[in-house]
Amino acid sequence: AQRVTQPEKLLSVFKGAPVELKCNYSYSGSPELFWYVQYSRQRLQLLLRHISRESIKGFTADLNKGETSFHLKKPFAQEEDSAMYYCALFGRGYNKLIFGAGTRLAVHP
Amino acid sequence: SQTIHQWPATLVQPVGSPLSLECTVEGTSNPNLYWYRQAAGRGLQLLFYSVGIGQISSEVPQNLSASRPQDRQFILSSKKLLLSDSGFYLCAWSVGTGSSPLHFGNGTRLTVT
Repeated sequence: AQRVTQPEKLLSVFKGAPVELKCNYSYSGSPELFWYVQYSRQRLQLLLRHISRESIKGFTADLNKGETSFHLKKPFAQEEDSAMYYCALFGRGYNKLIFGAGTRLAVHP
Repeated sequence: SQTIHQWPATLVQPVGSPLSLECTVEGTSNPNLYWYRQAAGRGLQLLFYSVGIGQISSEVPQNLSASRPQDRQFILSSKKLLLSDSGFYLCAWSVGTGSSPLHFGNGTRLTVT
């Protein structure tokens, strides 16, 4: 079975502090991992995907197959980063996208 | 450009009443369509997905059902709502392989009283 675990429901930091939102997954094959974000009063939208190996809005995420993790990181948090973040896994054997429970990031001035 | 419409935005229904939520996509053909439910503390739960007309895969055996009468139309239904059906329902679409990014609608807030 495929599963995504986001252990933190809420992550509260001050502006300028580093941020790491944790994501661990369970999947026996080669997964594709994603981070989705939902800002206040906006639609849920794709933030980044691991196969692109890109940095979006200063965020990066590295797939660690040994630790089965895909943590989302940003060196200096901004207030506009406050949002709900979801980690998601696509397993080809299952042909569907599974989401974690989400982590709410609150960045304080 | 592609757009997704989901309605109604909010809905309050009594227990035992029927439900019909509609989702339509414009600007693309043969999309993959999804219904998710967002419940407090439980994240996004995949309910149904469809890769073509009349093709529905159910992920959660409940009193909910889905139908795809047209290529770009996806309907979530229930014959008799339960209190536990309350939540935020999201429709989404993608194209191509299943790993393509999902594009979400604005959602429907359903409250069963």
